[in-house]
Amino acid sequence: DIQMTQSPSSVSASVGDRVVITCRASQVISTWVAWYQQKPGKAPKVLIYGASNLLSGVPSRFSGSGSGTDYTLTISNLQPEDFATYYCQQANSFPLTFGPGTKVDF
Amino acid sequence: EVQVVESGGGLVQPGGSLRLSCAASGFIFSSYAMSWVRQAPGKGLEWVSFISGSGGTTNYADSVKVRFTISRDNSKNTLYLQMNSLRAEDTAVYYCAKDGCETSSCYWNSWGQGTLVTVSS
Repeated sequence: DIQMTQSPSSVSASVGDRVVITCRASQVISTWVAWYQQKPGKAPKVLIYGASNLLSGVPSRFSGSGSGTDYTLTISNLQPEDFATYYCQQANSFPLTFGPGTKVDF
Repeated sequence: EVQVVESGGGLVQPGGSLRLSCAASGFIFSSYAMSWVRQAPGKGLEWVSFISGSGGTTNYADSVKVRFTISRDNSKNTLYLQMNSLRAEDTAVYYCAKDGCETSSCYWNSWGQGTLVTVSS
């Protein structure tokens, strides 16, 4: 099974900050990585797929990059609505797995 | 508008069974794979099961293999999850998620609101 680790587990930030979340897979996953945002009591929402492809309607302050085993989600110019928990997920092979999440708060 | 709506959650005793349903609308249901993803209270996300658009391919997390069965009725635009031999650790919100792909999983671009399953005596 492919294990996904994320860092940091939580980050305190302010509006306007740049936040970088990293995700590392236990083996090469060929950019089959997606990033999700989840707010309390709500379903997750996909932001990025294929490591760097932004979903339609997602603000351009979100970006993704990476290859091999290491992937990054960057939020530039953090907005109040961006305070949430972020998860990476690999779709390279079954079982599909998520990272443990990164909580972005004040 | 793409929509998926789960139902069927509730309180069940350990060892019991439950069937979840997910009604889909707003897209060609048979053209997309579907998955169930769960989230235990206060915990992270866990993928549970996958089914291809035709229903011919299924996959399960080791934690539910043999106990859970995923299926779909493309004539009714409905996804199912039959859960047997339920355990306390199966307690979670169960989400139905529409995949962006048909025959394999790539990412989930539509999610339901979730249905809570509580396993307790």
